[in-house]
Amino acid sequence: QVQLQESGPGPVKPSGTLSLTCAVSGGSISSSNWWSWVRQPPGKGLEWIGEIYHSGTTKYNPSLKSRVTISLDKSKNQFSLNLSSVTAADTAVYYCARGSYWGYFDYWGQGTLVTVSS
Amino acid sequence: EIVLTQSPGTLSLSPGERATLSCRASQSLSNNYLAWYQQKPGQAPRLLIYGASSRATGIPDRFSGSGSGTDFTLTISRLEPEDFAVYYCQQYNSSPPRTFGQGTKVEIK
Repeated sequence: QVQLQESGPGPVKPSGTLSLTCAVSGGSISSSNWWSWVRQPPGKGLEWIGEIYHSGTTKYNPSLKSRVTISLDKSKNQFSLNLSSVTAADTAVYYCARGSYWGYFDYWGQGTLVTVSS
Repeated sequence: EIVLTQSPGTLSLSPGERATLSCRASQSLSNNYLAWYQQKPGQAPRLLIYGASSRATGIPDRFSGSGSGTDFTLTISRLEPEDFAVYYCQQYNSSPPRTFGQGTKVEIK
């Protein structure tokens, strides 16, 4: 059973960089899957942030592309999200998820709330 | 970008009733690449349906998906108490970006 677990340093100050890591267990990050980040502001819907394939190919949401970097660490079987120049609008629960080769999300982490506040 | 519009926003039903949720895409999903998810408060979304009509592993057969092109439906044949939740559709026909609908809340009447 594939499991994903998000981790991060906690609150982020405005204009800072949000950094999260997703540890994958029960499966290899080198498998033919997209490794994705999705966020959900409090009380709102889901927003896809971006994803990375095992080859290193990345896709980003155009609305966030200038601020987002997703990377892989195959040695640790994990992937990471960096979101720069954050504002209060970036406050959300951030989920990591495994995307199938075609693009639906079959496994999700439990999510971690990131608050942007001074 | 493909925009997904879900209706209704809220569905008020009683246990045992049938729920019909709609998801309409702004462009045709040529491969019927549409998924449905269930989300309960404080939990991550759970995959229910992919490919418009294929149930994910472990999903009860009271959940069914149908549709093609731009119009898709999730049907819950008989609502169980654990089915009251928010449901999202997601398209993966065209990326980036992958997009979600705004959600339909199924609440107890």
